[in-house]
Amino acid sequence: DSGVTQTPKHLITATGQRVTLRCSPRSGDLSVYWYQQSLDQGLQFLIQYYNGEERAKGNILERFSAQQFPDLHSELNLSSLELGDSALYFCASSVGRPGVVTNYGYTFGSGTRLTVV
Amino acid sequence: AQSVTQPDIHITVSEGASLELRCNYSYGATPYLFWYVQSPGQGLQLLLKYFSGDTLVQGIKGFEAEFKRSQSSFNLRKPSVHWSDAAEYFCAVGPLQGAQKLVFGQGTRLTINP
Repeated sequence: DSGVTQTPKHLITATGQRVTLRCSPRSGDLSVYWYQQSLDQGLQFLIQYYNGEERAKGNILERFSAQQFPDLHSELNLSSLELGDSALYFCASSVGRPGVVTNYGYTFGSGTRLTVV
Repeated sequence: AQSVTQPDIHITVSEGASLELRCNYSYGATPYLFWYVQSPGQGLQLLLKYFSGDTLVQGIKGFEAEFKRSQSSFNLRKPSVHWSDAAEYFCAVGPLQGAQKLVFGQGTRLTINP
């Protein structure tokens, strides 16, 4: 157990639907990062939250959104799903602080496998 | 721009043979470097990381990596591979200052021949 919890582990849904993926970061970590892993695109950074605020955005589609709640868990919302959204979605957390140089690390959850049919 | 290149998409080695997986990075500042391993259907497990100090770092499962600033490389090595090492390996680079994303390479798939 890495300490980062992602639910659900597997999700099968139809095109056009909306799903929510959940991530609980490791205790003490303030940053949450979402990545999408697909066969043709590799590991793509989607979005990052730090202590409840959006800090960085990658190639996240407008149909996708995320938030980080006061208890630091995060949710990734995917709507109007398309077949191409089928992928493994990873959440990672880190204890690093902005502007602070420390030997921190990133801990990944085991991912949510989304299949759109 | 930040980028990581893993030149080898797929490598096949025999069990017991030595292994070297290549990683080159482009980063605007002093990098924080990582190697992760992913078994089929699993998450990402940290093998090792380089932050500072000795440029040869030891990781789990008998892996090591060497940071070469002049070559912008962070190659992963293992003296003798085991069948259980078959997996996908990812090199990643991040900032020394915290709370910023990791940038990953495309991964190298390792196949072990018995």
